Amino acid sequence: NAGVTQTPKFQVLKTGQSMTLQCAQDMNHEYMSWYRQDPGMGLRLIHYSVGAGITDQGEVPNGYNVSRSTTEDFPLRLLSAAPSQTSVYFCASSPSSMATEAFFGQGTRLTVV
Amino acid sequence: DQQVKQNSPSLSVQEGRISILNCDYTNSMFDYFLWYKKYPAEGPTFLISISSIKDKNEDGRFTVFLNKSAKHLSLHIVPSQPGDSAVYFCAASAVGYTSYGKLTFGQGTILTVHP
Repeated sequence: NAGVTQTPKFQVLKTGQSMTLQCAQDMNHEYMSWYRQDPGMGLRLIHYSVGAGITDQGEVPNGYNVSRSTTEDFPLRLLSAAPSQTSVYFCASSPSSMATEAFFGQGTRLTVV
Repeated sequence: DQQVKQNSPSLSVQEGRISILNCDYTNSMFDYFLWYKKYPAEGPTFLISISSIKDKNEDGRFTVFLNKSAKHLSLHIVPSQPGDSAVYFCAASAVGYTSYGKLTFGQGTILTVHP
C-alpha cells in the first residue's frame, strides 16, 4: 500500500546545480501538487497538475519546473539550485477536482550550499 | 499575506486534559477547512475536516468548530494523549471554485502532551 512515494529522502546540492525530485502515486489520482515547508511558513504550493499533460503554477513557482506525462508521476525540477530553495518538499495527490483531502508523501529534505 | 494563520507556535498540555488549537483565516472564498497532523520526518496526514455549511464536526476524540462570522476555527482533542504530540496544520480550500486539491496552510502549532 505505497500511496505517494517521494525520492530521494535527502539531498545536498551545490548552488547552480540542477536536479529532479521524483513523486509517484499508485492511487490513480488525477490531481497532484508540490509543496515546500519552511520554518514559520507552513506549507506553500509550488505547482500543481489536474491531469496528464496539464500543469499550473501555485504560490511560489519561481525556480521550479514540472511536467506530467503520466497519471502516476509528477517530477519537480530545480533548474539552478539556490540556497533559498533549501527546504522540505512534499508531493501530494487528490482523487478529484472537488476533493479537499490531499494525501502526502514523506517528503524530501533538500539543502543547497 | 498569510491567508491562514495559526498564531500559537506551540501548546503544552497534560495527558487526559483538553487540547485546543486555533486557526484564523482572511479569505472569504474559503469554504472547506482541514486539520493535518505531522510527525517528524513524515508527511502530513489528514485528521478531520469541516465544510462551511456546518459549525461542528466530530470524529472520536477530535472535534473541529467553525465560526464563519469570526473567520475562526478550532480543533479540540479530548482527552489528549502523548501520541497526539505532533505539529498540527490548519488548511483551507475553495472547493466551490474547483480547488483541484490545492490547499492553503497555516504555519503550524507544535502540540506536546505530557504524561
